[in-house]
Amino acid sequence: DIVMTQTPLSLSVTPGQPASISCKSSQSLLHSDGKTYLYWYLQKPGQPPQLLIYEVSNRFSGVPDRFSGSGSGTDFTLKISRVEAEDVGVYYCMQSIQLPPTFGQGTKLEIK
Amino acid sequence: QLQLQESGPGLVKPSETLSLTCTVSGGSISSSSYYWGWIRQPPGKGLEWIGSIYYSGSTYYNPSLKSRVTISVDTSKNQFSLKLSSVTAADTAVYYCARRGAILGMDVWGKGTTVTVSS
Repeated sequence: DIVMTQTPLSLSVTPGQPASISCKSSQSLLHSDGKTYLYWYLQKPGQPPQLLIYEVSNRFSGVPDRFSGSGSGTDFTLKISRVEAEDVGVYYCMQSIQLPPTFGQGTKLEIK
Repeated sequence: QLQLQESGPGLVKPSETLSLTCTVSGGSISSSSYYWGWIRQPPGKGLEWIGSIYYSGSTYYNPSLKSRVTISVDTSKNQFSLKLSSVTAADTAVYYCARRGAILGMDVWGKGTTVTVSS
C-alpha cells in the first residue's frame, strides 16, 4: 500500500493567519494519464469527511478560494490563506492512484 | 442532490457478521461513472478504505480485510451492502458509504453509522 505521511499532526492558528499542511506519499502519485491522484478532505467534528481539493490543486464545488493545493510527485501541500473559525477539524490527504486508496493520519486544526 | 444513508445494527457480537446497507437517493447507483464504497473510522483514529463495487457487481476489497469482506449491490433498490464476518472489538468504528468517481474521488459521503462490537 502507498503510505501517506502528513505533517504537522496538529496546528493551532489565530483567525486571519495562514496555515499549511504537508503530505508526502511513499510512491509517486503521477499516473501515466498525466493526472496526479491526490485529494484533500476536511472532517469537521461529528461529520463525515468533505472533499476540498481533487487532483492536487482543483477546488471542489463550493470550497472557498482561501483553500489551495499544490505539489507534484510525492510532495503535496494544502494551504489556507486566512484561517476562519469554520475551518476547524481534521484534514486528510488521500491517494487513489493505486488500490487500496490510502489516507494520511490526519492533521487537526484548532483556532487559538 | 445525491444523498447516501447508511443503515444497520449498531451493536454486533464478537465472531458474528456485521451487515450494513447504503441507500442512494437523488441519483442512480447504475451510473457508469462511479464506484460505490465503504470506509471506516475507529474511535479517535483515521480513515480506512474497506472496498468498493461497481453497479455491474465488480468489486475490489482492501487486502487487509479481503478474507472477511463482501460488498454487494441491488440496483433495483438503489442500494449496496457491506458484510464483515468474524468481527472483533477492533472492528468497532463509524462506517461510511461514499461515491467514488474517476476525477473527483470520493465526493459524496453518507453521514456514517456507528457499529460497536461487544458481547
